[in-house]
Formats: sequence, structure tokens, C-alpha cells
Amino acid sequence: EAQVTQNPRYLITVTGKKLTVTCSQNMNHEYMSWYRQDPGLGLRQIYYSMNVEVTDKGDVPEGYKVSRKEKRNFPLILESPSPNQTSLYFCASSLSGRARRGYTFGSGTRLTVV
Amino acid sequence: AQSVTQLDSQVPVFEEAPVELRCNYSSSVSVYLFWYVQYPNQGLQLLLKYLSGSTLVKGINGFEAEFNKSQTSFHLRKPSVHISDTAEYFCAVSENDYKLSFGAGTTVTVRA
Repeated sequence: EAQVTQNPRYLITVTGKKLTVTCSQNMNHEYMSWYRQDPGLGLRQIYYSMNVEVTDKGDVPEGYKVSRKEKRNFPLILESPSPNQTSLYFCASSLSGRARRGYTFGSGTRLTVV
Repeated sequence: AQSVTQLDSQVPVFEEAPVELRCNYSSSVSVYLFWYVQYPNQGLQLLLKYLSGSTLVKGINGFEAEFNKSQTSFHLRKPSVHISDTAEYFCAVSENDYKLSFGAGTTVTVRA
């Protein structure tokens, strides 16, 4: 089944403790992206990647890192999480990055930083 | 710069009644427009999209949307909703076919 898989689904952590949220897709998509969803703000893009070893900042990149060493994986790294990074995170992918083709989203990771 | 405003944050509606979700966008160039749906505890799914051509676009699950360039709107409608349509709906816009900007979302709650 074609899908984007995120892990974990739920995560509670403490301020300052480094964490990684994984994202993997099995559709050979070139484009992958991370969003955070907050009430009243919709989805905001954190980082995106057009292909392996090509990443770029989205609208809210502060406090996050990403890497794209393989086509299928696009992990989101929080080096020193803070409470304002408590949010619902989504990974998305598409064949070429063209919005017109639609994005495939993962099921989300709910992160709580205390 | 592109932006999206969803005019209603919550829309309660009775089963089998019609529903309309309002979306206005801001852009200085031609855009692509989308509606995504997020069912509880799931990721977003594409409902429908407007790329060009006919301004009335039909999507999955009986939804349709109308693009109005003069009013910069892309409202979503369904003539008769079901309990299973309870979800959050996001309007999105893309100017350059790469960056996708989302609205804040509209929560639709369908009651029996």
C-alpha cells in the first residue's frame, strides 16, 4: 500500500532532550516536507526537500533540522525541544513536488514538550 | 505573497442538510486551489483541486467547489452531509505549483 509512515504517533518529552521523528514513504517520491499544525493556524511548513541531499527552509524552520540521505526517508530532528514546539506534526510527499498533483500525508505525530 | 482565509472555524450541521465552507485567498498571480480533509486521528487527504478550466470542480465523497476569480474565493459545498463527513477541512493555495499555503481549517460536526 502506498503510504507515508511517521513514527512515533505520540511523544512526550522534556525540554532540551534531543528527539527525532521519522518519516518514510514507499512511493519513490522526490519531494518530502514537514508541517506543524496548531489550532487556529492551520498547517505551516517547517522544511522541505526536493530530492536527496537537497533541503530548504519553509515558513517556520527555527528549532528544527532535517536530513535527506535517502530518497524514502526524511527525519525531523529537534536538537533542544522547547514547550512552544508542542504541536501536531505531519510529513508529506509528492512525486515531483508539484502541488497540482496533490500531496500524500502521514497520520501525524503528536508531540508534547514539558 | 499567497495566503488563505477560511471564514468559519466551526460549522455544525444536521445530517442530510447542505453545507458550505467558505475560503478566500490572496494572490497577485494565477493560483491553484485545493481542499483537503482531515478525519479524526488521520492525515490530510485531497478532496478536490482547481487548476484551470471549468470553475466548478467536483471531488470525492460528493463534494464540489466553485472558483470565483473576481471574488478570490473557492467555497466548498455538499448538498447532503453524512455523519461520516465530520472532519476538519483545509483550503490551500499554490502560486508557483510548489509552495502550498493552508488556511486555519474549518471543523465540520455533523449531528443526527
